[in-house]
Amino acid sequence: IQLTQSPSSLSASVGDRVTFTCRASQDISSYLAWYQQKPGKAPKRLIYSASTLQSGLPSRFSGSGFGTDFTLTISSLQPEDFATYYCQQTHSYPVTFGGGTTVDIK
Amino acid sequence: EVQLVESGGDLVQPGGSLRLSCAGSDFTFTYYWMHWVRQAPGRGLEWISRISNDGTTPDYADSVKGRFTISRDNAKNTLYLQMKSLRAEDTALYYCARDKGADGLDPWGQGTQVIVSS
Repeated sequence: IQLTQSPSSLSASVGDRVTFTCRASQDISSYLAWYQQKPGKAPKRLIYSASTLQSGLPSRFSGSGFGTDFTLTISSLQPEDFATYYCQQTHSYPVTFGGGTTVDIK
Repeated sequence: EVQLVESGGDLVQPGGSLRLSCAGSDFTFTYYWMHWVRQAPGRGLEWISRISNDGTTPDYADSVKGRFTISRDNAKNTLYLQMKSLRAEDTALYYCARDKGADGLDPWGQGTQVIVSS
């Protein structure tokens, strides 16, 4: 299953609402996770089952979607949110990741 | 705190071998499938291998099949990746991660660097 993320990068300002997408090559129901990776750090799970927020993370992060189209939204971008975001399908073997969306400072 | 710590990364010549380790703590290691994921410099995440909780079922990406071997020692709470016939394109940061089934991979270790160069 191929995952296509768009855009590959975007520039935004603190306080902006940002949304990026992940499209699967076939129906994966809600079997999608999102990860955040900051430079020099390991990926960290943000969202699983398409819309469940990882415990302890701020509610400005939200995920939605079903089937083939998914979105990750940051309602009000904070300085610590500038990072690369990856989606991953957990529907079937083998594990696949999207190519990532990098959010940088405008 | 659930934690994974990788080790074993190094500079190795093309054609060489290396064994990576990933030590788990503060969770019941034997309950979980485990994965290796790598990230080449400036690139995205590439899944390369996974192993069942009992160690009997390994799987590999085509890019490493026949060259890499995943294994685990549940008594030591440790995951391994034996890498042989290394190529320049294997240069990457190698992460281990715990499988949470439909809920993805969580947590990830901090990564260990493998550089294949003469």
